[in-house]
Amino acid sequence: DVKVTQSSRYLVKRTGEKVFLECVQDMDHENMFWYRQDPGLGLRLIYFSYDVKMKEKGDIPEGYSVSREKKERFSLILESASTNQTSMYLCASSLPLQETQYFGPGTRLLVL
Amino acid sequence: DQQVKQNSPSLSVQEGRISILNCDYTNSMFDYFLWYKKYPAEGPTFLISISSIKDKNEDGRFTVFLNKSAKHLSLHIVPSQPGDSAVYFCAASAGSFNKFYFGSGTKLNVKP
Repeated sequence: DVKVTQSSRYLVKRTGEKVFLECVQDMDHENMFWYRQDPGLGLRLIYFSYDVKMKEKGDIPEGYSVSREKKERFSLILESASTNQTSMYLCASSLPLQETQYFGPGTRLLVL
Repeated sequence: DQQVKQNSPSLSVQEGRISILNCDYTNSMFDYFLWYKKYPAEGPTFLISISSIKDKNEDGRFTVFLNKSAKHLSLHIVPSQPGDSAVYFCAASAGSFNKFYFGSGTKLNVKP
């Protein structure tokens, strides 16, 4: 059974703080993704990674960066958190050429 | 501008009846479509998919219909059960499983 875990379920940060969101998957998947989910907008892709140290921008990468030093771990970094980054953040993983993505439970981030 | 739209934020259906969830898209290059189901406090889980070479795909109580000329897909759940109460997202991709565009979701409530 595929498991994708995210380091925190809820997080409260202050404007300007550097924020790290961690995601770990246990199925040896090559692909990993970060999305944010906002009301009325659905899930929007921030970044994805198709291999260790490889990354590509999604639709809304501004204000975010990512790190993938190990295959199982994909980190999302908010360099300087802003209130418009308050959102639900979802991590996912998948095998190459497979359409099914496996999602973690999400991290609800509040930036004050 | 959203390329995948779910215009009904919510739907309420009686147990045993049919649930029909709709999804519209604008990009004619989309060739693969998925539905995900999301329970509160959990990540989305894959439900069913359809390729653009088909117009129907069935899996148990779930059937997805694709109308390419109308750029419309729908998910039928028959019969609906209270355990089907969740948020349903449709998603579409164009030639790459690395990038899916998600709709904003429809919250289905199946009343006992």
